[in-house]
Amino acid sequence: AQSVTQLGSHVSVSEGALVLLRCNYSSSVPPYLFWYVQYPNQGLQLLLKYTSAATLVKGINGFEAEFKKSETSFHLTKPSAHMSDAAEYFCAVSDPLTGGGNKLTFGTGTQLKVEL
Amino acid sequence: DGGITQSPKYLFRKEGQNVTLSCEQNLNHDAMYWYRQDPGQGLRLIYYSQIVNDFQKGDIAEGYSVSREKKESFPLTVTSAQKNPTAFYLCASRAGTGGIESQPQHFGDGTRLSIL
Repeated sequence: AQSVTQLGSHVSVSEGALVLLRCNYSSSVPPYLFWYVQYPNQGLQLLLKYTSAATLVKGINGFEAEFKKSETSFHLTKPSAHMSDAAEYFCAVSDPLTGGGNKLTFGTGTQLKVEL
Repeated sequence: DGGITQSPKYLFRKEGQNVTLSCEQNLNHDAMYWYRQDPGQGLRLIYYSQIVNDFQKGDIAEGYSVSREKKESFPLTVTSAQKNPTAFYLCASRAGTGGIESQPQHFGDGTRLSIL
């Protein structure tokens, strides 16, 4: 079964510093990968997705992620953090071979705190 | 604007009572999902539906029931058999064409259920 691991349930950065949120997956084949952001008491909003077209994926709000097959990773980065980036971030995977194409498997989330 | 509407935003359940959470989408999506979110546990799939009049159990279906009589609607009933229903419930939908596995899920803003 596929799984997603997000290292670090809480990450704190200074405003203007690099943001790095880690995501590793386990899948028998390169999966489809997604990053979502959730603000308090709201639903999840799609930041970006990897669907094999390009390994470096650019998303909204200045975020990007790089798919590394050799490391089974899909880490999320942003060069300069802004206070408005404080939220919870979820990595999710969809395996194209299991027939579970209707199901996403989510990581447990990383809470990002941005400090002045 | 197209989107997913969940209602109510907050819901309270008495002991032994069934309650129904509403989810409506106008995105013309074929697939719909219900997730339960608890702090530190990410999102767990309760039920999903790929087409009208058909649905499948997710990972934590016990104590829940759903129906899919219309493409736009996928209500979730939390029954009295669910002994720990306090959580944030999220509804999502996904386009059913063009390789569903690569399509992201779109989320509503959630319903927070609490026990009186």
